[in-house]
Amino acid sequence: AQKITQTQPGMFVQEKEAVTLDCTYDTSDPSYGLFWYKQPSSGEMIFLIYQGSYDQQNATEGRYSLNFQKARKSANLVISASQLGDSAMYFCAMGSRRGGADGLTFGKGTHLIIQP
Amino acid sequence: DAGVIQSPRHEVTEMGQEVTLRCKPISGHNSLFWYRQTMMRGLELLIYFNNNVPIDDSGMPEDRFSAKMPNASFSTLKIQPSEPRDSAVYFCASSLAQSGDGDTQYFGPGTRLTVL
Repeated sequence: AQKITQTQPGMFVQEKEAVTLDCTYDTSDPSYGLFWYKQPSSGEMIFLIYQGSYDQQNATEGRYSLNFQKARKSANLVISASQLGDSAMYFCAMGSRRGGADGLTFGKGTHLIIQP
Repeated sequence: DAGVIQSPRHEVTEMGQEVTLRCKPISGHNSLFWYRQTMMRGLELLIYFNNNVPIDDSGMPEDRFSAKMPNASFSTLKIQPSEPRDSAVYFCASSLAQSGDGDTQYFGPGTRLTVL
Protein backbone atom coordinates (compact mmCIF):
# COMPACT_ATOMS: atom_id res chain seq x y z
CA ALA A 1 0.00 0.00 0.00
CA GLN A 2 1.09 3.53 -0.69
CA LYS A 3 1.12 6.29 1.88
CA ILE A 4 1.81 10.01 1.68
CA THR A 5 2.52 12.08 4.78
CA GLN A 6 2.43 15.86 4.91
CA THR A 7 3.33 16.97 8.41
CA GLN A 8 2.65 20.71 8.07
CA PRO A 9 -1.09 21.40 8.31
CA GLY A 10 -0.49 25.13 7.87
CA MET A 11 2.31 27.56 7.12
CA PHE A 12 2.64 31.34 7.20
CA VAL A 13 5.39 32.80 5.02
CA GLN A 14 6.37 36.36 4.18
CA GLU A 15 6.03 37.39 0.56
CA LYS A 16 9.19 36.94 -1.52
CA GLU A 17 10.63 34.34 0.84
CA ALA A 18 11.30 30.78 -0.30
CA VAL A 19 8.97 28.07 0.97
CA THR A 20 9.57 24.36 1.52
CA LEU A 21 6.57 22.08 1.86
CA ASP A 22 7.37 18.67 3.28
CA CYS A 23 6.26 15.34 1.87
CA THR A 24 7.33 11.84 2.78
CA TYR A 25 6.07 8.70 1.15
CA ASP A 26 6.02 4.97 1.59
CA THR A 27 5.61 2.35 -1.10
CA SER A 28 6.77 -1.10 -2.06
CA ASP A 29 6.48 -0.38 -5.76
CA PRO A 30 9.85 -0.22 -7.55
CA SER A 31 8.59 2.39 -10.00
CA TYR A 32 6.48 5.36 -9.01
CA GLY A 33 5.79 8.99 -9.65
CA LEU A 34 5.46 11.87 -7.23
CA PHE A 35 3.23 14.85 -7.91
CA TRP A 36 2.36 18.16 -6.34
CA TYR A 37 -0.97 19.87 -6.85
CA LYS A 38 -2.18 23.30 -5.79
CA GLN A 39 -5.76 23.89 -4.72
CA PRO A 40 -6.66 27.58 -4.36
CA SER A 41 -9.76 28.68 -2.51
CA SER A 42 -11.73 28.43 -5.74
CA GLY A 43 -11.38 24.67 -5.47
CA GLU A 44 -9.74 23.48 -8.66
CA MET A 45 -6.77 21.13 -8.58
CA ILE A 46 -3.80 22.51 -10.47
CA PHE A 47 -0.88 20.28 -11.41
CA LEU A 48 2.47 21.82 -10.47
CA ILE A 49 5.31 19.37 -10.85
CA TYR A 50 6.20 15.70 -11.36
CA GLN A 51 9.18 13.56 -10.33
CA GLY A 52 9.74 10.01 -11.53
CA SER A 53 11.36 7.55 -9.18
CA TYR A 54 14.17 6.86 -11.66
CA ASP A 55 14.79 10.46 -12.59
CA GLN A 56 18.37 11.38 -11.81
CA GLN A 57 17.77 15.10 -11.51
CA ASN A 58 15.30 16.98 -9.37
CA ALA A 59 12.34 18.32 -11.31
CA THR A 60 11.92 22.06 -11.80
CA GLU A 61 9.03 24.08 -13.27
CA GLY A 62 9.52 27.81 -13.12
CA ARG A 63 9.47 28.86 -9.45
CA TYR A 64 8.69 25.30 -8.36
CA SER A 65 11.28 22.65 -7.70
CA LEU A 66 11.05 19.24 -6.14
CA ASN A 67 13.73 18.19 -3.68
CA PHE A 68 13.70 14.43 -4.22
CA GLN A 69 15.63 12.31 -1.74
CA LYS A 70 14.90 8.71 -2.62
CA ALA A 71 16.78 7.12 0.27
CA ARG A 72 14.84 9.25 2.73
CA LYS A 73 11.61 8.76 0.80
CA SER A 74 10.97 12.47 0.71
CA ALA A 75 9.74 14.72 -2.07
CA ASN A 76 9.60 18.27 -0.75
CA LEU A 77 8.22 21.10 -2.85
CA VAL A 78 10.24 24.30 -2.91
CA ILE A 79 8.63 27.55 -4.07
CA SER A 80 11.12 30.33 -4.70
CA ALA A 81 10.26 34.01 -4.27
CA SER A 82 6.76 33.40 -2.94
CA GLN A 83 3.87 35.56 -4.12
CA LEU A 84 0.50 36.38 -2.62
CA GLY A 85 -1.11 34.23 -5.29
CA ASP A 86 0.71 31.19 -3.93
CA SER A 87 -1.66 31.13 -0.96
CA ALA A 88 -3.53 27.82 -1.32
CA MET A 89 -3.69 24.20 -0.22
CA TYR A 90 -0.84 22.08 -1.56
CA PHE A 91 -1.14 18.33 -1.98
CA CYS A 92 1.59 15.79 -2.46
CA ALA A 93 0.53 12.65 -4.32
CA MET A 94 1.98 9.39 -5.54
CA GLY A 95 1.12 7.16 -8.42
CA SER A 96 2.53 3.89 -9.69
CA ARG A 97 2.54 2.19 -13.01
CA ARG A 98 1.29 -1.33 -13.21
CA GLY A 99 1.04 -1.83 -16.91
CA GLY A 100 -0.93 1.36 -17.28
CA ALA A 101 -2.11 4.44 -15.50
CA ASP A 102 -2.91 4.14 -11.84
CA GLY A 103 -4.82 6.20 -9.35
CA LEU A 104 -3.08 8.71 -7.12
CA THR A 105 -2.71 8.51 -3.36
CA PHE A 106 -2.85 11.97 -1.78
CA GLY A 107 -1.54 13.43 1.43
CA LYS A 108 -3.72 15.52 3.72
CA GLY A 109 -2.31 18.75 2.37
CA THR A 110 -0.59 21.87 3.65
CA HIS A 111 -2.42 25.16 3.85
CA LEU A 112 0.07 27.85 2.78
CA ILE A 113 -0.64 31.49 3.51
CA ILE A 114 1.63 34.15 2.04
CA GLN A 115 1.66 37.37 4.03
CA PRO A 116 2.49 40.78 2.53
CA ASP B 1 -7.37 23.10 -25.56
CA ALA B 2 -10.35 22.32 -23.35
CA GLY B 3 -9.55 20.74 -20.04
CA VAL B 4 -11.58 18.14 -18.22
CA ILE B 5 -15.23 19.14 -18.17
CA GLN B 6 -17.58 18.22 -15.36
CA SER B 7 -21.25 18.81 -14.91
CA PRO B 8 -23.08 19.93 -12.98
CA ARG B 9 -20.76 22.18 -10.99
CA HIS B 10 -23.13 22.20 -8.06
CA GLU B 11 -25.86 19.75 -7.12
CA VAL B 12 -28.22 19.94 -4.21
CA THR B 13 -30.55 17.01 -3.73
CA GLU B 14 -32.58 15.30 -1.06
CA MET B 15 -31.73 12.06 0.62
CA GLY B 16 -32.91 9.08 -1.39
CA GLN B 17 -32.71 10.76 -4.77
CA GLU B 18 -30.55 9.55 -7.62
CA VAL B 19 -27.58 11.71 -8.53
CA THR B 20 -25.62 11.52 -11.77
CA LEU B 21 -22.31 13.30 -12.21
CA ARG B 22 -20.80 13.66 -15.66
CA CYS B 23 -17.29 13.99 -16.99
CA LYS B 24 -15.69 14.64 -20.35
CA PRO B 25 -11.94 13.90 -20.30
CA ILE B 26 -9.29 15.73 -22.26
CA SER B 27 -9.40 14.64 -25.88
CA GLY B 28 -6.86 11.91 -26.57
CA HIS B 29 -6.46 10.87 -22.95
CA ASN B 30 -7.00 7.17 -22.33
CA SER B 31 -7.31 7.04 -18.55
CA LEU B 32 -10.07 8.52 -16.42
CA PHE B 33 -10.32 8.79 -12.67
CA TRP B 34 -13.04 9.68 -10.18
CA TYR B 35 -12.02 11.14 -6.81
CA ARG B 36 -13.98 12.40 -3.83
CA GLN B 37 -12.80 15.14 -1.47
CA THR B 38 -14.14 15.64 2.05
CA MET B 39 -12.77 17.46 5.05
CA MET B 40 -12.64 14.25 7.07
CA ARG B 41 -11.10 11.88 4.53
CA GLY B 42 -9.28 14.20 2.15
CA LEU B 43 -8.94 13.16 -1.49
CA GLU B 44 -9.85 9.55 -2.18
CA LEU B 45 -9.73 7.59 -5.41
CA LEU B 46 -13.09 6.01 -6.13
CA ILE B 47 -12.56 4.26 -9.46
CA TYR B 48 -10.50 4.53 -12.61
CA PHE B 49 -10.71 3.41 -16.21
CA ASN B 50 -8.05 2.61 -18.78
CA ASN B 51 -9.25 2.64 -22.39
CA ASN B 52 -12.84 2.77 -21.15
CA VAL B 53 -12.43 -0.38 -19.05
CA PRO B 54 -12.86 -0.16 -15.27
CA ILE B 55 -9.60 -1.26 -13.67
CA ASP B 56 -10.00 -0.68 -9.95
CA ASP B 57 -13.23 0.17 -8.17
CA SER B 58 -12.05 -0.78 -4.70
CA GLY B 59 -12.48 2.81 -3.59
CA MET B 60 -16.19 2.90 -4.35
CA PRO B 61 -17.72 3.13 -0.92
CA GLU B 62 -20.88 1.11 -1.41
CA ASP B 63 -23.10 -0.55 -3.94
CA ARG B 64 -25.02 2.71 -4.09
CA PHE B 65 -22.17 4.06 -6.19
CA SER B 66 -21.64 3.04 -9.79
CA ALA B 67 -19.56 4.42 -12.66
CA LYS B 68 -19.58 3.88 -16.39
CA MET B 69 -17.49 4.94 -19.34
CA PRO B 70 -19.43 4.09 -22.50
CA ASN B 71 -16.87 5.75 -24.77
CA ALA B 72 -13.56 7.58 -24.67
CA SER B 73 -15.14 10.99 -24.24
CA PHE B 74 -17.72 10.47 -21.52
CA SER B 75 -18.09 9.00 -18.06
CA THR B 76 -20.74 9.08 -15.36
CA LEU B 77 -20.72 8.53 -11.63
CA LYS B 78 -24.10 7.64 -10.21
CA ILE B 79 -25.27 7.52 -6.62
CA GLN B 80 -28.56 5.80 -5.96
CA PRO B 81 -29.98 6.36 -3.42
CA SER B 82 -28.03 9.34 -2.16
CA GLU B 83 -27.37 9.94 1.55
CA PRO B 84 -26.21 13.04 3.46
CA ARG B 85 -22.79 11.44 4.05
CA ASP B 86 -22.24 11.46 0.28
CA SER B 87 -21.94 15.25 0.41
CA ALA B 88 -18.50 16.08 -0.97
CA VAL B 89 -16.68 17.50 -3.95
CA TYR B 90 -16.33 14.92 -6.71
CA PHE B 91 -13.44 15.35 -9.11
CA CYS B 92 -12.89 13.72 -12.44
CA ALA B 93 -9.34 13.57 -13.82
CA SER B 94 -7.80 12.23 -16.99
CA SER B 95 -4.34 11.29 -18.18
CA LEU B 96 -2.49 9.90 -21.17
CA ALA B 97 -0.83 6.63 -20.20
CA GLN B 98 2.77 6.72 -21.39
CA SER B 99 5.97 4.91 -20.55
CA GLY B 100 7.62 6.11 -17.39
CA ASP B 101 7.02 6.08 -13.68
CA GLY B 102 3.73 7.86 -13.60
CA ASP B 103 1.24 9.80 -15.68
CA THR B 104 0.19 13.32 -14.84
CA GLN B 105 -3.51 13.57 -14.12
CA TYR B 106 -5.39 16.72 -15.01
CA PHE B 107 -8.41 17.50 -12.91
CA GLY B 108 -11.77 18.93 -13.78
CA PRO B 109 -13.28 21.76 -11.73
CA GLY B 110 -15.24 19.32 -9.57
CA THR B 111 -18.90 18.88 -8.70
CA ARG B 112 -19.95 20.05 -5.26
CA LEU B 113 -22.67 17.67 -4.11
CA THR B 114 -24.91 18.46 -1.16
CA VAL B 115 -27.39 15.84 -0.01
CA LEU B 116 -29.98 17.18 2.41
